[in-house]
Amino acid sequence: GNSVTQMEGPVTLSEEAFLTINCTYTATGYPSLFWYVQYPGEGLQLLLKATKADDKGSNKGFEATYRKETTSFHLEKGSVQVSDSAVYFCALSRAGGFKTIFGAGTRLFVKA
Amino acid sequence: DTGVSQDPRHKITKRGQNVTFRCDPISEHNRLYWYRQTLGQGPEFLTYFQNEAQLEKSRLLSDRFSAERPKGSFSTLEIQRTEQGDSAMYLCASSLDGQVQETQYFGPGTRLLVL
Repeated sequence: GNSVTQMEGPVTLSEEAFLTINCTYTATGYPSLFWYVQYPGEGLQLLLKATKADDKGSNKGFEATYRKETTSFHLEKGSVQVSDSAVYFCALSRAGGFKTIFGAGTRLFVKA
Repeated sequence: DTGVSQDPRHKITKRGQNVTFRCDPISEHNRLYWYRQTLGQGPEFLTYFQNEAQLEKSRLLSDRFSAERPKGSFSTLEIQRTEQGDSAMYLCASSLDGQVQETQYFGPGTRLLVL
């Protein structure tokens, strides 16, 4: 079946450090891939998405590239800020599908 | 566009009681989803509506759970005879079908604590 695996947290970084959160997936067909972010006390927010191989999603300095050959969608940011502290979820949905399958989430702490 | 809203935001109940949650989707969205999120985990799919029709239910949704979307707008999720294992965050999401890049937008969730 379809599944998402992401690196375990927590990840602790100093401000301005480089961030990578690994995500790999298993899916039939060609799913759409997403990163969602959940700030403390808030709901899930869509951070970025990619719908086909080699697409790059980007938003707020975050980027992720849909790699079909490695079934990966790693999240990166060149310089993190304290305000990026949150839980990040990698997710997929089948093309035209009706449900989103989430990874377990990776908590990020950024220290000033 | 006011986003997806959910009510209540928090609910504390005693084991064995019934609870009902409400979700109001983004107004033009015809698809509505319910998910459950337990501590330290990602959301898990529970059920899905296309307009007023409930088209899919997860095996996670026991017979104590029922969801409705009577007029194809807001939805309710009821849990009967609550158990401590039902304690979780219940998330609602909505989307507009037919889009090439269909995306689900999530509400803030209802946090349920069963004592």
